[in-house]
Amino acid sequence: QKEVEQNSGPLSVPEGAIASLNCTYSDRGSQSFFWYRQYSGKSPELIMFIYSNGDKEDGRFTAQLNKASQYVSLLIRDSQPSDSATYLCAGPSYNQGGKLIFGQGTELSVKP
Amino acid sequence: GAVVSQHPSWVICKSGTSVKIECRSLDFQATTMFWYRQFPKQSLMLMATSNEGSKATYEQGVEKDKFLINHASLTLSTLTVTSAHPEDSSFYICSAGPLSGRSTDTQYFGPGTRLTVL
Repeated sequence: QKEVEQNSGPLSVPEGAIASLNCTYSDRGSQSFFWYRQYSGKSPELIMFIYSNGDKEDGRFTAQLNKASQYVSLLIRDSQPSDSATYLCAGPSYNQGGKLIFGQGTELSVKP
Repeated sequence: GAVVSQHPSWVICKSGTSVKIECRSLDFQATTMFWYRQFPKQSLMLMATSNEGSKATYEQGVEKDKFLINHASLTLSTLTVTSAHPEDSSFYICSAGPLSGRSTDTQYFGPGTRLTVL
């Protein structure tokens, strides 16, 4: 079983809709998770991190973490065409010097 | 803060030559840097973890003699692709962090280097 898994998509939503991106993880000891956005041909950029159960909101983005279910998600409200990118979920691999374990990424396409 | 740069941003070389890519943390000291490779339409693949003043730790399947990593200072790590071949053509990305060792710290990515081997 992969340590961090994402639905590779592609996920297509109309402009203005809510995009929901999901991630599951296998290490119950994982304490924090990070969402990165990667535009085609560019390197990943950090959008949000979350380390407490529940929701964390930042503008149009909401990260949700459920440690009991080992599930983390990212909601994008009022999706815009500029949100079209690949979204990567990552969790730390403990005792490995800060190494992050990345999911395979979900490609999001927001249609005008 | 937490800016990471890479140089060059792109490079084209002939098969059999060696290419060096630099990764610098501009406004913080990075005891640990990471090197990733990404092929088109694929996710990031961690190649190695670079620790300042010590040997790099390579992921399984990554040839350490082909991908030489040097982390001689707290702000600079280099990746040298030796005797490059067309199959080494890829997007190479470095990252640095975590800054404090806390679980909420993350990695900060450089802009990447696109390598094309002819």
